[in-house]
Amino acid sequence: EVQLLESGGGLVQPGGSLRLSCAASGFAFSRYAMNWVRQAPGKGLEWVSAISGDGARTYYADSVKGRFTISRDNSKSAVYLQMSSLRAEDTAIYYCVAQNEATVSFDYWGQGTLVTVSS
Amino acid sequence: QSVLTQPPSASGTPGQRVTISCSGSSSNIGSQIVNWFQQLPGTAPKLLIYSNNQRPSGVPDRFSGSKSGTSASLAISGLQSEDEADYYCAVWDGSLNGWVFGGGTKLTVL
Repeated sequence: EVQLLESGGGLVQPGGSLRLSCAASGFAFSRYAMNWVRQAPGKGLEWVSAISGDGARTYYADSVKGRFTISRDNSKSAVYLQMSSLRAEDTAIYYCVAQNEATVSFDYWGQGTLVTVSS
Repeated sequence: QSVLTQPPSASGTPGQRVTISCSGSSSNIGSQIVNWFQQLPGTAPKLLIYSNNQRPSGVPDRFSGSKSGTSASLAISGLQSEDEADYYCAVWDGSLNGWVFGGGTKLTVL
């Protein structure tokens, strides 16, 4: 059974930092690019960042570029999102998503972890 | 303002066929393949259509996708009450070098 389990969300003050983790199991992790997609309360989906299966290539939305860093550890089947200089508009549920590099599809989604940026 | 344009809402009665459109540009839909997702209330999104018109295992054949030029569509035939959800299109944008999502369409089954 495929599982993507996010952790690390919580309440943080504006300007603060947070590190999200996603533990994967049940599929060939290193063959999948990994993404973070977020959803602000009552809003639509917004892609945040992606990392290739081998970790060599990373991509970021303009809204987080320079503030967020994505990384992965294939030996642990885990992907991370280091978030800094957090703003109120970063408040959202953050989903970890496994992307099939062959079909270019977001095959598997985690249940999400809530990040709240507020003083 | 989303890069991909979807109608904010759609509706139909049980058994009807509804379509949801997704409009983009040459740098995304016009040159890349489209995914569609279904998000039931209070749950994570789920892949519904990939590669423009392919269904993952377990997705009923009532759901179909198509693409023409810089637009894509999701069709749902034989509408059922459990289809009431938010639907999103998504595609890689070669100019932005990132994924873009439509704003989402809330489907109501009357």
